[in-house]
Amino acid sequence: SQQGEEDPQALSIQEGENATMNCSYKTSINNLQWYRQNSGRGLVHLILIRSNEREKHSGRLRVTLDTSKKSSSLLITASRAADTASYFCATDESNTGKLIFGQGTTLQVKP
Amino acid sequence: DVKVTQSSRYLVKRTGEKVFLECVQDMDHENMFWYRQDPGLGLRLIYFSYDVKMKEKGDIPEGYSVSREKKERFSLILESASTNQTSMYLCASRKGLAGERETQYFGPGTRLLVL
Repeated sequence: SQQGEEDPQALSIQEGENATMNCSYKTSINNLQWYRQNSGRGLVHLILIRSNEREKHSGRLRVTLDTSKKSSSLLITASRAADTASYFCATDESNTGKLIFGQGTTLQVKP
Repeated sequence: DVKVTQSSRYLVKRTGEKVFLECVQDMDHENMFWYRQDPGLGLRLIYFSYDVKMKEKGDIPEGYSVSREKKERFSLILESASTNQTSMYLCASRKGLAGERETQYFGPGTRLLVL
């Protein structure tokens, strides 16, 4: 079953702008992970945030987690054309340990 | 770096054929997963394995089986391929499972076309 829901489904911005993607989920989690997928390729892990963390940074990426609202956001600052990809959130279910993926946000960064 | 490899990037098979998709990871991970990815449906878990010779059904196991004879290798088998199994298949591995906080690593994917 798909737990995470990303919002928006698609996003188009100019190079240099910031991109924000949101993810909502339904059950309690151990952690939440964000992945990137370039067209026709496998998923690449970007960042993991634990359920007891509220914010995490990695380079131009900033992830927040609000467990009371069951939501997370991924911010990409100073976007580049190479950031064009689909971005997925995945929640690590507390009961099963399985990763549940959302439908993804397709990001297009125009040069 | 963790490396997860899949035997083929692209495969074309005929309806009724038996299809093997192989996945190998080199980081001594206990847990391995097979997903399929389809437009509008996202990633769906087919099967996973938390140890050698162990397997668990995911959300959509029908029409598939798996084999885990060695820790590093997890095979997905389509006993009799059908056109509705045309999809992108993604393998993943992970050190920990329930209650542990570990990154899941994915292979490059196999795009399967069943004619």
